[in-house]
Amino acid sequence: EVQLLESGGGLVQPGGSLRLSCAASGFTFSSYAMSWVRQAPGKGLEWISAISGSGGSTFYADSVKGRFTISRDNSKNTLYLQMNSLRVEDTAVYSCAKEINHLPPGGLMDVWGKGTTVTVSS
Amino acid sequence: DIQMTQSPSSLSASVGDRVTITCRASQSISSFLNWYQQKPGIAPKPLIYAASSLQSGVPSRFSGSGSGTDFTLTISSLQPEDFASYFCQHSYTTPYTFGQGTKLEIK
Repeated sequence: EVQLLESGGGLVQPGGSLRLSCAASGFTFSSYAMSWVRQAPGKGLEWISAISGSGGSTFYADSVKGRFTISRDNSKNTLYLQMNSLRVEDTAVYSCAKEINHLPPGGLMDVWGKGTTVTVSS
Repeated sequence: DIQMTQSPSSLSASVGDRVTITCRASQSISSFLNWYQQKPGIAPKPLIYAASSLQSGVPSRFSGSGSGTDFTLTISSLQPEDFASYFCQHSYTTPYTFGQGTKLEIK
């Protein structure tokens, strides 16, 4: 069964850091691009970052560029999101998603994790 | 960034009704348009990709159409399990952006 499982969320103060992980199973992880998408309470979906299957190409939304870093370890079938300089407005459920292509952009996000909650508050 | 404008934001309908949700892009995105269904507390489920291709396992009552800037998602005959929120998303370039969502409620 194709599955994505996020972890690493929690409560952090403004200006703090967190690293999210997304463990993948059931498919050839290195063959597919991966994305992170977040959803703030009561709000819609916001794409924040993507990475190619090889890890050689990365893409960011302006709202997180320079603060967040996406990476992957294909030997561990794991996707990461390092989040620094966190702001109150980063509070959201963060989900990882598998894309149908090796290299963004262009594809559907066809498998999603259930998400991990990040709360930024003093 | 490409903006996606989705309408309506909410819709009341009955089982058996035909419903249509529209999504407009702020510039041409060819056919790089995807539709998702989301229920509370559950990850989004992909329905349609490349504007009109049905994702594997999705019932044929769902269909998509359009290209360029204007797109539609149609549910031909609503079933009880279809009452949920629906989002469009472009994948033409990064940053990907989503529509604001349509909440489909039982009348």
